[in-house]
Amino acid sequence: DADVTQTPRNRITKTGKRIMLECSQTKGHDRMYWYRQDPGLGLRLIYYSFDVKDINKGEISDGYSVSRQAQAKFSLSLESAIPNQTALYFCATSDARGSEKLFFGSGTQLSVL
Amino acid sequence: KNEVEQSPQNLTAQEGEFITINCSYSVGISALHWLQQHPGGGIVSLFMLSSGKKKHGRLIATINIQEKHSSLHITASHPRDSAVYICAVSVGQGNLIFGKGTKLSVKP
Repeated sequence: DADVTQTPRNRITKTGKRIMLECSQTKGHDRMYWYRQDPGLGLRLIYYSFDVKDINKGEISDGYSVSRQAQAKFSLSLESAIPNQTALYFCATSDARGSEKLFFGSGTQLSVL
Repeated sequence: KNEVEQSPQNLTAQEGEFITINCSYSVGISALHWLQQHPGGGIVSLFMLSSGKKKHGRLIATINIQEKHSSLHITASHPRDSAVYICAVSVGQGNLIFGKGTKLSVKP
């Protein structure tokens, strides 16, 4: 089983719909991140969380919200999806106590029509 | 100007060639990461380094903090090395800035 699991792997939705992307990890890491990747651009940070009570906005948080339900779970919501939110979304974790090495989920390809 | 620049953007090599991918950055960093993204989309961390040089199999990563530059080398390249290689820098508080990636294609 993967250490960082994202669901769903693919999702097609319509403009205006509410969408939730879920991420769970078995690494025991405190830090979790949501990134989006667009063709020709580097990964960009949407939100990050250093523990259950700590949520921070990243570079491109507008139109997104997150919930850290437990140390192992970090979900990303699009309250009202729009076409320019079509992208590949990645969840990642890192261990605050030592290495900042990142562990990524397999990604969720989201298409908003 | 992007804070993390990679070169080249695209690279085609013949199997067996020695490959170098470069990364330059313009901000203060605590560490630099090299990541590999395969055509299926998954991303794997290859190296994290803050000084000197690291080696893993046929991959070597170096960093020069004074020059704000890092290189990723692949020796005896193989078609299975075909992927996008991404440089990212840690700028504190868990924040990373990513380069746009270098797409490598190794032909048999």
